[in-house]
Amino acid sequence: DAGVIQSPRHEVTEMGQEVTLRCKPISGHDYLFWYRQTMMRGLELLIYFNNNVPIDDSGMPEDRFSAKMPNASFSTLKIQPSEPRDSAVYFCASNIGGIQPQHFGDGTRLSIL
Amino acid sequence: GENVEQHPSTLSVQEGDSAVIKCTYSDSASNYFPWYKQELGKGPQLIIDIRSNVGEKKDQRIAVTLNKTAKHFSLHITETQPEDSAVYFCAASTSGYALNFGKGTSLLVTP
Repeated sequence: DAGVIQSPRHEVTEMGQEVTLRCKPISGHDYLFWYRQTMMRGLELLIYFNNNVPIDDSGMPEDRFSAKMPNASFSTLKIQPSEPRDSAVYFCASNIGGIQPQHFGDGTRLSIL
Repeated sequence: GENVEQHPSTLSVQEGDSAVIKCTYSDSASNYFPWYKQELGKGPQLIIDIRSNVGEKKDQRIAVTLNKTAKHFSLHITETQPEDSAVYFCAASTSGYALNFGKGTSLLVTP
């Protein structure tokens, strides 16, 4: 079975540019989560969706960050404008809901120069 | 909010020895405690989880124990192998949705 698929795997761009990260959850999973991983702060939940609707975005660091889920098989995380402190690995995860394991993708390593 | 502390940050063991990683949490309402293994360049992979109505769970060489009174839980890996080398994360959640992660333990198993 295909797991959570993220693209691109690596992104290097200059500050001020718009960055779009993409995620395809596991088919049948109703919940989708976006996490950010840095050495300083570890793994942090940014936002999560249930049935394509954002439920909790309290972890989104600033208005420069936005996330959408236009359908059950696709989500995007956008940063506009990007800043060097946004450099991190961004993970997407999904699950079927409730107290069930979250399955993670392999992440997007983002470097903002 | 929930605060999860994880110790040690690094752990080196000889192949065949046991490894123990400990975590504490602050929110007594937390009821779900997963453990993830992360290899270089990969996403975290669930290795075992435990719910608050269970004190211990075992899966082959891996076991997790939970002490709700003391608000701590531990991961035990027996008969360690070089392929167990990775970063391990504990997490706690009150709902199963917002996972609060520890800072990770880098485990090195030397042959």
